[in-house]
Amino acid sequence: KQEVTQIPAALSVPEGENLVLNCSFTDSAIYNLQWFRQDPGKGLTSLLLIQSSQREQTSGRLNASLDKSSGRSTLYIAASQPGDSATYLCAAQDSSYKLIFGSGTRLLVRP
Amino acid sequence: EAGVAQSPRYKIIEKRQSVAFWCNPISGHATLYWYQQILGQGPKLLIQFQNNGVVDDSQLPKDRFSAERLKGVDSTLKIQPAKLEDSAVYLCASSLEGQETQYFGPGTRLLVL
Repeated sequence: KQEVTQIPAALSVPEGENLVLNCSFTDSAIYNLQWFRQDPGKGLTSLLLIQSSQREQTSGRLNASLDKSSGRSTLYIAASQPGDSATYLCAAQDSSYKLIFGSGTRLLVRP
Repeated sequence: EAGVAQSPRYKIIEKRQSVAFWCNPISGHATLYWYQQILGQGPKLLIQFQNNGVVDDSQLPKDRFSAERLKGVDSTLKIQPAKLEDSAVYLCASSLEGQETQYFGPGTRLLVL
């Protein structure tokens, strides 16, 4: 049974800092690994999707890496801004497109 | 293109009452998902539909939860009777058939007193 863990559970950083969010999964037989952003009272917004055959994906200031052999993914946010404050969720997707989510990292970027 | 619509956005009920949530997926999306997100946790899949058929309902508490997707478009999730531990956000998502990207609605926040 796939289990996804995210650390840290919460993070507070000053504006401008580079930061790394961590995600680990127990079953390496994933279809892909996805990162989402969730703002209070809103649904999930997809940030990055890394196919199982890929090592990383980049979008603007965001970079996500995937190491299937070790069961790990990281989300790197460069030059953080107050608008980046949100909960970040990672999810492992299997071949039936089922998503297994971690509990998320609550990020606060202080001005 | 309109996104996934859900209603109501908020609902407060007392335990043992019934409640229903409605989801309208993106037009043309054959696959529909219902997730439960308890405070402080990630979303957990309750049920997955492909058109009007159930693909996966292994984590749906079938003694109190039911879901249907008549005509393969809109879907309704019902809880009867509700328990305190059902307090959560219920998220609906949809995707094109055979596609990995799911689009999420804003969710319905349920509080059971």
